[in-house]
Amino acid sequence: AQSVTQPDIHITVSEGASLELRCNYSYGATPYLFWYVQSPGQGLQLLLKYFSGDTLVQGIKGFEAEFKRSQSSFNLRKPSVHWSDAAEYFCAVGARGFQKLVFGTGTRLLVSP
Amino acid sequence: DGGITQSPKYLFRKEGQNVTLSCEQNLNHDAMYWYRQDPGQGLRLIYYSQIVNDFQKGDIAEGYSVSREKKESFPLTVTSAQKNPTAFYLCASINPGGLTEAFFGQGTRLTVV
Repeated sequence: AQSVTQPDIHITVSEGASLELRCNYSYGATPYLFWYVQSPGQGLQLLLKYFSGDTLVQGIKGFEAEFKRSQSSFNLRKPSVHWSDAAEYFCAVGARGFQKLVFGTGTRLLVSP
Repeated sequence: DGGITQSPKYLFRKEGQNVTLSCEQNLNHDAMYWYRQDPGQGLRLIYYSQIVNDFQKGDIAEGYSVSREKKESFPLTVTSAQKNPTAFYLCASINPGGLTEAFFGQGTRLTVV
């Protein structure tokens, strides 16, 4: 069965500092991987996705993520965080056919001045 | 513009009452999903539907029911059997045949009063 682990519930980063949010997945076949962002009381917006090919994927708002099959990880990174990046971030794993898209429990990012 | 519309944005339910949450999409997606979101628990799958007139239970289907009479619509009914319905509910749709991501509505916040 698919599963996703986001080990950090909260992370606080200073504005302008770099960011890395961790995501580990469990899936028997080649996964489809996603990072979504959610502002309070809103739906989820896609930041980036990985289906195949280059393991370093670029997304919106300056985010990137790297797929590491050997570590079953898909960590999200940003070189310089802005105050507007404060939100909750979700990692998700799926497969072709999308019978189930499984989400992690989320990481809440706080940005300090 | 294509997208997913959830209504209402806020909903209040009295004890013992059934309520129905609406989800409509004009993306021509075959698959639709209902997720429940609680603080610290991420998104948990309630029901999903791959095609019209067919749907499957997700991980937390007890106390919920759905229908899929039209491709565009996937309403969720929260029945009186759901003992703790207060939560944020998110509807999503996917084109399972293509390499794409899940699109989300803006959510409905249900509160029991």
